[in-house]
Amino acid sequence: EAQVTQNPRYLITVTGKKLTVTCSQNMNHEYMSWYRQDPGLGLRQIYYSMNVEVTDKGDVPEGYKVSRKEKRNFPLILESPSPNQTSLYFCASSLIGGQQFFGPGTRLTVL
Amino acid sequence: GENVEQHPSTLSVQEGDSAVIKCTYSDSASNYFPWYKQELGKGPQLIIDIRSNVGEKKDQRIAVTLNKTAKHFSLHITETQPEDSAVYFCAADNDMRFGAGTRLTVKP
Repeated sequence: EAQVTQNPRYLITVTGKKLTVTCSQNMNHEYMSWYRQDPGLGLRQIYYSMNVEVTDKGDVPEGYKVSRKEKRNFPLILESPSPNQTSLYFCASSLIGGQQFFGPGTRLTVL
Repeated sequence: GENVEQHPSTLSVQEGDSAVIKCTYSDSASNYFPWYKQELGKGPQLIIDIRSNVGEKKDQRIAVTLNKTAKHFSLHITETQPEDSAVYFCAADNDMRFGAGTRLTVKP
C-alpha cells in the first residue's frame, strides 16, 4: 500500500531533550516536506527536500533540523525542544509538481 | 514567495445546500492548485486539483474553478452531506503554500 508513515504518533517530552520524528514513504517520491499545524494558522512548512542530500528551509525552520540521506526517509530533528514547538506535525511526499501525500501526523507536547 | 489567502475560516451550511470556499494567490507563476480535506485526527487528503491550462474541473459533487487573471480559485461542494464536515485547505504549487483552512460544518 502506498503510504507515508510517521513515528511516533504521540510524544510528550521535556524542554531541551533532543528528539527525532521519523518519516518514510514507499512511493519513490523526490519531494518530501514537514509541516506544523497550529489552531488558526493552517499548515506551515518547516523544511522541504527536492531530492537526496538537498534540503531547504520553509517558512518556520527555526529550532528544527532535517536530513535526506535516502530517498524514502526524511527525519525531523529537534535538538533542544521548547514549549513553543508543541504542535501537530505532518510529513508529506510527492512527485515534483504533483499532489502531496500526507502522513497521519505526530502530536508533540513539550513541557 | 507565494502567499495564499483562504476565506471563510468557518462555514456552516444545512445538509443539501451548497458550500463555496475561495482562495487567492500572489505568484502568477503558480500553475497547480490542489484542494485537501482533513478529517478529525487524520492528515490532509487531496480531493480535487486543477492546473492552469483549464478553468474548471468537476468530480461528482465537488468542482474547482480557476481565474488566472484575477489569481483566485474556488472549491464548490453541492448537495452537502454531514460527512463533508471537515477542514479544507487550498494550496498553490510555487513554494507549496497552504491557505489557513476552512472548517466546514454540515448540519443534518
